[in-house]
Amino acid sequence: GQSLEQPSEVTAVEGAIVQINCTYQTSGFYGLSWYQQHDGGAPTFLSYNGLDGLEETGRFSSFLSRSDSYGYLLLQELQMKDSASYFCAVRSGGYQKVTFGTGTKLQVIP
Amino acid sequence: DTAVSQTPKYLVTQMGNDKSIKCEQNLGHDTMYWYKQDSKKFLKIMFSYNNKELIINETVPNRFSPKSPDKAHLNLHINSLELGDSAVYFCASSRTTSGVNTGELFFGEGSRLTVL
Repeated sequence: GQSLEQPSEVTAVEGAIVQINCTYQTSGFYGLSWYQQHDGGAPTFLSYNGLDGLEETGRFSSFLSRSDSYGYLLLQELQMKDSASYFCAVRSGGYQKVTFGTGTKLQVIP
Repeated sequence: DTAVSQTPKYLVTQMGNDKSIKCEQNLGHDTMYWYKQDSKKFLKIMFSYNNKELIINETVPNRFSPKSPDKAHLNLHINSLELGDSAVYFCASSRTTSGVNTGELFFGEGSRLTVL
């Protein structure tokens, strides 16, 4: 089966940089995604890494190392609105099932 | 125009009842999913359909029966509701091109089910 590990909570200061790590175990790996979910809202897609390396989208970047089964999400210039839960998700298997990690609750403080 | 819409948004019902949740997407996607998010925020895949064909069926009790009348619609019917079924149920869709999924799921706003 699949397993994904993320820290449960992270606190960071407004304007700072924070990194949320994700390690995974799966077979038939295709890629790693990141999603943001505000309380009471739906998960929204942030990024996808199918190959090793860094993907940058504005203030958010995501990294993948397939050999280490590891990835991270980097959030720069943190804003209060970035307070949310962040999920890593692996796409794997013949039908490319998307399995989510347990989520990291990010709290941005002034 | 909502991309993935679910109805109802809230459901409160008694144990033992039967209920349905409906989902529609207007994105032209060919794959649709049901996820369950429990009180600890864990998002667990339940089912996935590709072009109306069931392709993923996790170990979900057979009280849960999905149905996809066409590739834009995916419904979920739950029989004999139990307390443990209380959760938020999310519908999602994605696009597959030449057998490769693009890697992005679009979620509906969720249907919060409370079983009393």
